[in-house]
Amino acid sequence: GESVGLHLPTLSVQEGDNSIINCAYSNSASDYFIWYKQESGKGPQFIIDIRSNMDKRQGQRVTVLLNKTVKHLSLQIAATQPGDSAVYFCAENPRINDMRFGAGTRLTVKP
Amino acid sequence: DAGVIQSPRHEVTEMGQEVTLRCKPISGHNSLFWYRQTMMRGLELLIYFNNNVPIDDSGMPEDRFSAKMPNASFSTLKIQPSEPRDSAVYFCASSKGPLPPFFGPGTRLTVL
Repeated sequence: GESVGLHLPTLSVQEGDNSIINCAYSNSASDYFIWYKQESGKGPQFIIDIRSNMDKRQGQRVTVLLNKTVKHLSLQIAATQPGDSAVYFCAENPRINDMRFGAGTRLTVKP
Repeated sequence: DAGVIQSPRHEVTEMGQEVTLRCKPISGHNSLFWYRQTMMRGLELLIYFNNNVPIDDSGMPEDRFSAKMPNASFSTLKIQPSEPRDSAVYFCASSKGPLPPFFGPGTRLTVL
């Protein structure tokens, strides 16, 4: 989920399990959404995106679900691996080139 | 492609000094973004350019901050004078058309 301030929501999963990271977005006018992964000391890295005319999109080991009714986005990671440990951000795009990021969720994968 | 290039990667300066951060976007990308990341406020969009023209600078915190993009392959973010509360990681990102932005490695700025 989303939060502001110093404390990031955290999710801890066992290696091999599936992970679900949730995000509530704020602007009903947003029509484009992106998930980014940020590892320590690096810039955010694009994972997957989805447009508002879809409710599901799949990539390699990742799936994004969009529920516009409740303004909710989720990222599912299948067979989570230690290399998936990072902070995950959802971003919404209420206007072209105006990408707004959520606070992020820290995913920790236990071996 | 080398991706988005930022320099310096780390900058430590004293309060009151001028700081200039540099960015080289991915070749062929026509939009460039400057973001700031702090623990308290997360990732904030400061300004973005489209075809070298500043489009939205409403995220620039104060007049002490300025950004320029003199050509398609170079942008600067300047802070003058710098203050301790400017300490953060500053990211540059670029995109092509409607495609998602690709981020650089960031510049970690510490103002003492």
